[in-house]
Amino acid sequence: GNSVTQMEGPVTLSEEAFLTINCTYTATGYPSLFWYVQYPGEGLQLLLKATKADDKGSNKGFEATYRKETTSFHLEKGSVQVSDSAVYFCALTVYNFNKFYFGSGTKLNVKP
Amino acid sequence: DAGVTQSPTHLIKTRGQQVTLRCSPKSGHDTVSWYQQALGQGPQFIFQYYEEEERQRGNFPDRFSGHQFPNYSSELNVNALLLGDSALYLCASSWTGQGVNYGYTFGSGTRLTVV
Repeated sequence: GNSVTQMEGPVTLSEEAFLTINCTYTATGYPSLFWYVQYPGEGLQLLLKATKADDKGSNKGFEATYRKETTSFHLEKGSVQVSDSAVYFCALTVYNFNKFYFGSGTKLNVKP
Repeated sequence: DAGVTQSPTHLIKTRGQQVTLRCSPKSGHDTVSWYQQALGQGPQFIFQYYEEEERQRGNFPDRFSGHQFPNYSSELNVNALLLGDSALYLCASSWTGQGVNYGYTFGSGTRLTVV
């Protein structure tokens, strides 16, 4: 079946630290992969995506590379800010993008 | 350009009651999907509506039903509420071209609390 596994949180970092949030997946067919971010009291915002193997998605300093050989899509940022504090969700969709499968989310706390 | 609009933002209901949540899609979108996000969990797909019909459904009981109107807006109905139905309900809109969804956009959600 289709599923996403994320590293458990919370992840607590100091400002300007390097961030990695691990995400691995299982999928039938060839999935597209996404990272969404959820700020307190808000809905989901698309952070970045990659639709085929070896693609790199990037946005606002965040990056993730679609690794088919390791079925992974780890999120990285070189220098986090307090404003990056949020919950991050890895997700996949297959075929016609009809529905998304989400991981359980990883909460990031960035301290000044 | 208004995004996806959901109402109400918060709701408190009693066990056994029925609830209706509403969603207006982003301009230009014709497809609406609903997700349930329990506290501390990722969203889970409930169902998707296109051309006023349920096109796909997740693993949710028949107590969960929906409707799509000619203007593409949608309602989610939950009957016989259980405490476990307490969650954030997210609506997402998109547009369908040749069977593929494009421009998936989430709303801010309705927080339902069942007491």
